[in-house]
Amino acid sequence: DVKVTQSSRYLVKRTGEKVFLECVQDMDHENMFWYRQDPGLGLRLIYFSYDVKMKEKGDIPEGYSVSREKKERFSLILESASTNQTSMYLCASSSPTTGQGGKAYFGPGTRLTVT
Amino acid sequence: GESVGLHLPTLSVQEGDNSIINCAYSNSASDYFIWYKQESGKGPQFIIDIRSNMDKRQGQRVTVLLNKTVKHLSLQIAATQPGDSAVYFCAEIRQAAGNKLTFGGGTRVLVKP
Repeated sequence: DVKVTQSSRYLVKRTGEKVFLECVQDMDHENMFWYRQDPGLGLRLIYFSYDVKMKEKGDIPEGYSVSREKKERFSLILESASTNQTSMYLCASSSPTTGQGGKAYFGPGTRLTVT
Repeated sequence: GESVGLHLPTLSVQEGDNSIINCAYSNSASDYFIWYKQESGKGPQFIIDIRSNMDKRQGQRVTVLLNKTVKHLSLQIAATQPGDSAVYFCAEIRQAAGNKLTFGGGTRVLVKP
């Protein structure tokens, strides 16, 4: 069974803290994505990666960075957390080389609260 | 800017009826269009996709229609069941942009018994 896991389901951090959100997939997928989901705004793409050490900005990259040192792991970093980064963060992976470019698998999400 | 969007934020459907969820898009360069279902407390789950060179694709109880002339995508769910209550998102993939996966805003479907 395919699986995307995220390091935490719930996280509470203080303003100014550095925050790491980890995502691991066990499907050998090339592509990995980080989204944030807020009420009424749907899923907004923060960053994505199509290969190890490669990263591309999504639609809202400001205040975030990412790291992909290994194929299976994609980390989202909040350098200095702010209250407007309180949100649900969703990680996903997909494999365009298998002809299933549209089929992304999502993790359960991390609900981050910044106080 | 370029976007994928939805017409209706909430859709109430009687159990057993058919549901139709609509989506408009603006970028003609999309290669795939996809529908996802998100149940409460879970991540989105893939339902069905359609290549941009197709106009219809059927799955189990679901049909996706693509009208490139008016840049419109729809998801039809036959004989809607209580388990179909969820938020549905349309999304697009652009292969030339590194297979960037972009989502629309979501429609909540409520199935009435």
